[in-house]
Amino acid sequence: GAVVSQHPSWVICKSGTSVKIECRSLDFQATTMFWYRQFPKQSLMLMATSNEGSKATYEQGVEKDKFLINHASLTLSTLTVTSAHPEDSSFYICSAVEGWGYEQYFGPGTRLTVT
Amino acid sequence: QKEVEQNSGPLSVPEGAIASLNCTYSDRGSQSFFWYRQYSGKSPELIMFIYSNGDKEDGRFTAQLNKASQYVSLLIRDSQPSDSATYLCAVHGSSNTGKLIFGQGTTLQVKP
Repeated sequence: GAVVSQHPSWVICKSGTSVKIECRSLDFQATTMFWYRQFPKQSLMLMATSNEGSKATYEQGVEKDKFLINHASLTLSTLTVTSAHPEDSSFYICSAVEGWGYEQYFGPGTRLTVT
Repeated sequence: QKEVEQNSGPLSVPEGAIASLNCTYSDRGSQSFFWYRQYSGKSPELIMFIYSNGDKEDGRFTAQLNKASQYVSLLIRDSQPSDSATYLCAVHGSSNTGKLIFGQGTTLQVKP
């Protein structure tokens, strides 16, 4: 149980284009999903908290107009990196919380490379 | 002072030994504590969580929590080379937002 998937697992895009990453909870309903970014040899950095049916809450310093988050259903949240630049190249990981628990179950991550 | 602190390591132990990973946190109101394992290039995997003071055992893993000292640890018995990874301590703080605060992680190397 508690399986979270992400799609795509890796993506290469050109500078200036937009990329959408999907996060799905496969066997449970997730009222809350989180989006993280991780640079090499660094810990996870929380970008935003996504709640179904409401606007995402972004962490300080994260550009909400650049990283668009939509939590359309209890099993799907999407992160769109708009006008991507090479400095956006990173490992993007989502996590989901089942119901009103606290344990976060992580997706496998999406490695984004912007050329 | 960081909210959740871990020694970045690397912590090196021989195969079969006990690995002890430590974590301290600053928010005295924190209620839930988690240990995640992350292999290089992969996403974190939940190993254990603990809510109450004392020990919690699951197979080769034991989590220990001391809220008075604001300290949580993870013991790995009979360490195997496959345990070599980065171990992340995460704390659910008192803000009730559901957010986890992660430490920087401790890299564990288990040598055959």
